[in-house]
Order: sequence, then structure tokens, then C-alpha cells
Amino acid sequence: GIQVEQSPPDLILQEGANSTLRCNFSDSVNNLQWFHQNPWGQLINLFYIPSGTKQNGRLSATTVATERYSLLYISSSQTTDSGVYFCAVYDMRFGAGTRLTVKP
Amino acid sequence: NAGVMQNPRHLVRRRGQEARLRCSPMKGHSHVYWYRQLPEEGLKFMVYLQKENIIDESGMPKERFSAEFPKEGPSILRIQQVVRGDSAAYFCASHKMSTEAFFGQGTRLTVV
Repeated sequence: GIQVEQSPPDLILQEGANSTLRCNFSDSVNNLQWFHQNPWGQLINLFYIPSGTKQNGRLSATTVATERYSLLYISSSQTTDSGVYFCAVYDMRFGAGTRLTVKP
Repeated sequence: NAGVMQNPRHLVRRRGQEARLRCSPMKGHSHVYWYRQLPEEGLKFMVYLQKENIIDESGMPKERFSAEFPKEGPSILRIQQVVRGDSAAYFCASHKMSTEAFFGQGTRLTVV
């Protein structure tokens, strides 16, 4: 089956810093999503992005399907950005996630 | 348009009892996925269903676990004869074909 790898596994930032999270996948995909799981466990949709670039406020994402990776950019991070970021590809197969901690 | 609804939100069962977890997908969504999540871990795929069909159950334990998504009504994840190791959060997600998927709030199962 398709393999999904996310990096880094853990990330600690000071408030206001920028970060880039990466998702690599082992096969061609026509579906890719980014989710944020907040500290209360809720899974929130960030981007549905099989290809191209999208932006939503301080967050943006880019998927290069031909090279089998996607990037999630977080700018001017806030403490409320803390949690785990997951990417999911194909038939909703997930990577292990990146745990982000933003310190005040 | 209501989101994905899971109930109950919290479920406590004694060892040996049955647990039934329900997932009502968003209106018009015919695809449902179930995941299990242990504390501080990722989302482990269990099963992928379409209406009246199991598409992929490769992530589901062979014994005690079953899932269905009938023509009418919610998708059900059933765990028979629960053990302490079944304690976890169970999430479902739904989508239409090749479109964005959405998650429910999860059911937190505690086996005592």
C-alpha cells in the first residue's frame, strides 16, 4: 500500500516564528488533505490540495504531485497553532503526523 | 448542513460487553472511514466502507470487530467482548467520491 511520511515528527517554536511541515508519499495520488488535531482532539480541515498552492490566512500549502510531496507553511505562529498536523493521501491513508508546540 | 455526527461521545463498557459506535456522515456522502487513535499516537486506519459495501477492512482486527454502512442509517462500528486494550478514541470521516473528507468529533471508549 501507499506509504506516507511526515517530517519533522516534532517541532517546537517560539510564538511568531515560521515553519514548514513536509509530507512525502510513495505513489501517485489524486487526493491529499492536511488536518490539524487540536489539543482537545478535534480534527480540523486545513486544505484539500491534490496539486498546486492554496493559502488561508497565515497558512498555505503546496503539493507537487509529480514529485510526490506536499508542504504546509505556517507563518507568524501562535500558541493556538499547537497540536498535531496530519496529511492524508489517496483513500485517506495518514502519515504519523508532526507534533507542533508553539511557546509564548 | 450538519457535519459528521458520532455518538456517543463517551462510552464506558465493562470487559466482555459489546460496544456500538455510530457515525452519521454528512448529507450526500457515501464513503465512510473508521480510525482508532491511542493517546499520543496517530490515526490508525481500520475500515473503508461505501453504502452496503466494505471496500477495505485491512486495518481491522479479524476477531471481535465488525463494521457496516447500511443503505439507510448510520455506519456502525461494533466491538464484541471488549478488552482493556480496546480503550481508545474512534474517529470516522466521510466524503463524496474524490472530494474533501470531514471528521466527526470521535467516540472515546473506556473499558473498565
